[in-house]
Amino acid sequence: EDQVTQSPEALRLQEGESSSLNCSYTVSGLRGLFWYRQDPGKGPEFLFTLYSAGEEKEKERLKATLTKKESFLHITAPKPEDSATYLCAVWRSQGNLIFGKGTKLSVKP
Amino acid sequence: DGGITQSPKYLFRKEGQNVTLSCEQNLNHDAMYWYRQDPGQGLRLIYYSQIVNDFQKGDIAEGYSVSREKKESFPLTVTSAQKNPTAFYLCASSTPGETGELFFGEGSRLTVL
Repeated sequence: EDQVTQSPEALRLQEGESSSLNCSYTVSGLRGLFWYRQDPGKGPEFLFTLYSAGEEKEKERLKATLTKKESFLHITAPKPEDSATYLCAVWRSQGNLIFGKGTKLSVKP
Repeated sequence: DGGITQSPKYLFRKEGQNVTLSCEQNLNHDAMYWYRQDPGQGLRLIYYSQIVNDFQKGDIAEGYSVSREKKESFPLTVTSAQKNPTAFYLCASSTPGETGELFFGEGSRLTVL
């Protein structure tokens, strides 16, 4: 069965304390992996697309990487405004997305 | 500004009533989607449409219905047959070939009393 698992469920960091979020997946025929950011009560906002193992994408303090079985979202020197839930989604060969449950990130000043 | 507009933002209904959630986009996207989000769960696909006058069931279509009469509009009806309708509903759209890069609306929170 196709599955996307995100860990940890919740992460609390101090401002400036770097860390990583994990997204592991088991799907038949990966066509792409996507990261989204979701603020409370809002719709998700697209961050990155990764298509092949070894690929990396960066945006401000965020860097996403992809291997054959998992993806990491690295957050360098986070700020309180980075607090949000980060969602991972996998695009499979059947053509639709499977979303993970998300990691809720809290960054304290 | 281009985007996706969902309405209403909050909706309350009594058991046994149907309710329709609106989704309008001015991004000129062909594909539109409806997702449901529950606490502690990933987004789950209800229905999607790749083109006007055509739509397909997603993973949890039972108790829901949709229409796609115009490219800009993709309304979702939550029927009385949906056993647990209280949830956060999200509408999204995408350009052809970029199925994973979704543009989401602000969501509609439905509460059944």
